Amino acid sequence: QVQLVQSGAEVKKPGASVKVSCKASGYTFTGYYVYWVRQAPGQGLQWMGWINPGSGGTGYAQKFQGRVTMTRDTSISTAYLEMSRLRSDDTAVYYCVSVAGQNWGQGTLVTVSS
Amino acid sequence: QSALTQPASVSGSPGQSITISCTGTSSDVGGYNYVSWYQQHPGKAPKLMIYDVSNRPSGVSNRFSGSKSGNTATLTNSGLQAEDEGDYYCSSYTSSSTMVFGGGTKLTVL
Repeated sequence: QVQLVQSGAEVKKPGASVKVSCKASGYTFTGYYVYWVRQAPGQGLQWMGWINPGSGGTGYAQKFQGRVTMTRDTSISTAYLEMSRLRSDDTAVYYCVSVAGQNWGQGTLVTVSS
Repeated sequence: QSALTQPASVSGSPGQSITISCTGTSSDVGGYNYVSWYQQHPGKAPKLMIYDVSNRPSGVSNRFSGSKSGNTATLTNSGLQAEDEGDYYCSSYTSSSTMVFGGGTKLTVL
């Protein structure tokens, strides 16, 4: 069955960077875009961007351009989200999503606190 | 890109029908047939309920349906059940080759 398994929770200080991984299984990794979505505590969903695992092409929401990088390693069917210059309002659960929105990772809580 | 507009809350009794609207612009909802709806229960990842405006993934109850008119998409639940309570989000593809979510709607089953 299709699974997206994300890396564990992170605690970071303001100004630091974080890298979250998303390992895909059960489908052809290069066949579907991977999206990243975040949800701050008690808030709604926020779309961050996408990566085409086949080509490596990316597209980012304007809010995150310059601060977010999405990459992938096709040899291990894994997508990555890296965010730099973290602020306290980046505290959120970060999800990877694929197979046209049908499959979500379990979420990774990133806490930014001094 | 501004978030799509959804009502903050809707409610209904078991068996009743409810609708949730999702209003955007001609640059997103109105311009493309790429509207999706997600259901989220507390502490859980969202679940895809409708894609491409009106298509249901395998396993989603046929009580859920989607439609679109102009810049507004609508999710309909034709017979509320207790397990339908939760938060619902719409999303749309945009002219910037990105996606945008609505602010979310809390559905309460009375």
